[in-house]
Amino acid sequence: DVKVTQSSRYLVKRTGEKVFLECVQDMDHENMFWYRQDPGLGLRLIYFSYDVKMKEKGDIPEGYSVSREKKERFSLILESASTNQTSMYLCASSSTGTGAGANVLTFGAGSRLTVL
Amino acid sequence: QKEVEQDPGPLSVPEGAIVSLNCTYSNSAFQYFMWYRQYSRKGPELLMYTYSSGNKEDGRFTAQVDKSSKYISLFIRDSQPSDSATYLCAMSLSSGYALNFGKGTSLLVTP
Repeated sequence: DVKVTQSSRYLVKRTGEKVFLECVQDMDHENMFWYRQDPGLGLRLIYFSYDVKMKEKGDIPEGYSVSREKKERFSLILESASTNQTSMYLCASSSTGTGAGANVLTFGAGSRLTVL
Repeated sequence: QKEVEQDPGPLSVPEGAIVSLNCTYSNSAFQYFMWYRQYSRKGPELLMYTYSSGNKEDGRFTAQVDKSSKYISLFIRDSQPSDSATYLCAMSLSSGYALNFGKGTSLLVTP
């Protein structure tokens, strides 16, 4: 069964802490994404990556950075966590190409972060 | 104007009802259309995938795309309590582009 694995399901951090959210996929997908999901706001794209060591800003990159050193791993970093970053964070991956299945995202189970 | 609009609900129906979920969009260049289902405290999972216009059926689920009206629908026949979830529509321009998501519709099917 193909998987996107987010290492932490629930985290509680304090304001100002550095936070790492890790995501690993085993499908050899080229593309990886980080979203946050908030009630009433839906899914919002933070960052995405089309290749190793490559990153692109999404709609809400402020306060976040990412790292993709290996194809299967995409990390989201909160340099100095703030209370407004309390949210559900979802990692996803997809393959590149055309035809059936193009652009289909496979999501992880999510990481629920609370910043106090 | 948001690129993808979706009524958040909640929508409550009795078991066995036919459910209709809808999204409208503004960008006529969208080509790939998807429906994801998300159970509480889980990540979204792909339910239906359609390229360009037309209908697609999979068991109790039917996805429709009307590009002339910029409108997509998901129909659930003989709804079950296990269908209770949030349903997200998503679409993209072409391969290699990030998806544009609706905000999701919360569905509750009562026994």
